[in-house]
Amino acid sequence: DGGITQSPKYLFRKEGQNVTLSCEQNLNHDAMYWYRQDPGQGLRLIYYSQIVNDFQKGDIAEGYSVSREKKESFPLTVTSAQKNPTAFYLCASSIKTVEGGYTFGSGTRLTVV
Amino acid sequence: AQSVTQLDSHVSVSEGTPVLLRCNYSSSYSPSLFWYVQHPNKGLQLLLKYTSAATLVKGINGFEAEFKKSETSFHLTKPSAHMSDAAEYFCVVTYNAGNMLTFGGGTRLMVKP
Repeated sequence: DGGITQSPKYLFRKEGQNVTLSCEQNLNHDAMYWYRQDPGQGLRLIYYSQIVNDFQKGDIAEGYSVSREKKESFPLTVTSAQKNPTAFYLCASSIKTVEGGYTFGSGTRLTVV
Repeated sequence: AQSVTQLDSHVSVSEGTPVLLRCNYSSSYSPSLFWYVQHPNKGLQLLLKYTSAATLVKGINGFEAEFKKSETSFHLTKPSAHMSDAAEYFCVVTYNAGNMLTFGGGTRLMVKP
């Protein structure tokens, strides 16, 4: 079955460490997105990529980095520069135009300890 | 800039009674509108979408929404709430088949026995 896989489901990070969240899709979608969700709040866009080897900053890109070396994969690195990284992170993908909406992964909950 | 407003951050209903979740979008030509549902610690699932076909859209799990251009609204309804409907609901918009979605702030639906 096609879909998006995010791993791990739960992640704990010590302060000052970088961590990488995985997002893989087998839907042959061109575009991929990373969102951050905080308790009681909506989704905020971190980064997005519409094509391999290209990506754009979203609304809250500071302290994060991404790469898009393969169409299927869009990993997100949360760096030590991100001052408040504890959140729920959602990856999504879509075809080039979004009449069909996005397909979402099941999320990664990151906690700083 | 495109925007979407969910008028209620929380809605509480009794099981078996109707559900109404309100959504207004900023006026523009050719919006595409979506409703997504998110259960705790899960990704977002597409409930239904409007893309300039029939103005009354039927989705999964008995939900439907009506596109009203004169009111710039896309309210989500269900005739009879079930306990399993308790979740967060997001209204989402894009314009002119663009490739970015704009999310509303979300409405948390609570269902009382």
